[in-house]
Amino acid sequence: SQQGEEDPQALSIQEGENATMNCSYKTSINNLQWYRQNSGRGLVHLILIRSNEREKHSGRLRVTLDTSKKSSSLLITASRAADTASYFCAVGTGKLIFGQGTTLQVKP
Amino acid sequence: DGGITQSPKYLFRKEGQNVTLSCEQNLNHDAMYWYRQDPGQGLRLIYYSQIVNDFQKGDIAEGYSVSREKKESFPLTVTSAQKNPTAFYLCASSIRSDQETQYFGPGTRLLVL
Repeated sequence: SQQGEEDPQALSIQEGENATMNCSYKTSINNLQWYRQNSGRGLVHLILIRSNEREKHSGRLRVTLDTSKKSSSLLITASRAADTASYFCAVGTGKLIFGQGTTLQVKP
Repeated sequence: DGGITQSPKYLFRKEGQNVTLSCEQNLNHDAMYWYRQDPGQGLRLIYYSQIVNDFQKGDIAEGYSVSREKKESFPLTVTSAQKNPTAFYLCASSIRSDQETQYFGPGTRLLVL
């Protein structure tokens, strides 16, 4: 399957530090998305990067995509306590395939 | 206020009982989806619907059933055939099935008594 796999599974940092999480997938893709999930809540779409893009920014978020390595990274700069959540990558259109997620804890 | 609503927030099922989870959207989206999330895991697709009166099985459809009689509604029934139903269930929608971004409801947590 085109399952995204994320690394690390858990990440704990201090407020103000940068957080980087990685996603790998198995087959060719048209796009890759990142979603955030606060504990016990639904997912919120963060950013989508297409296969012909290498880097994309949205506020404090920076996403890179390396199709040759079948991997993507999500960087959150100047993290805040409110960024504490689980972050998932997803590939596909319609039938999304999600990774297992990275749980980020930002300590105030 | 546009969005996706799911009810109830918590649901308890007895052995051998069928239960139905509600999902409603007022975004005028054609496509709707049901996912299951187990603790510490990602989401797995149960069923999806591209248009009214049409739906397809996802990766883990066994023990579940759906209907799509109205554009705004996509209820999920967890049948007694689903032997391990305890999970967090998420409903999502997208403008069309060929649109990548999905919008999620707040989820229903199903527990077995």
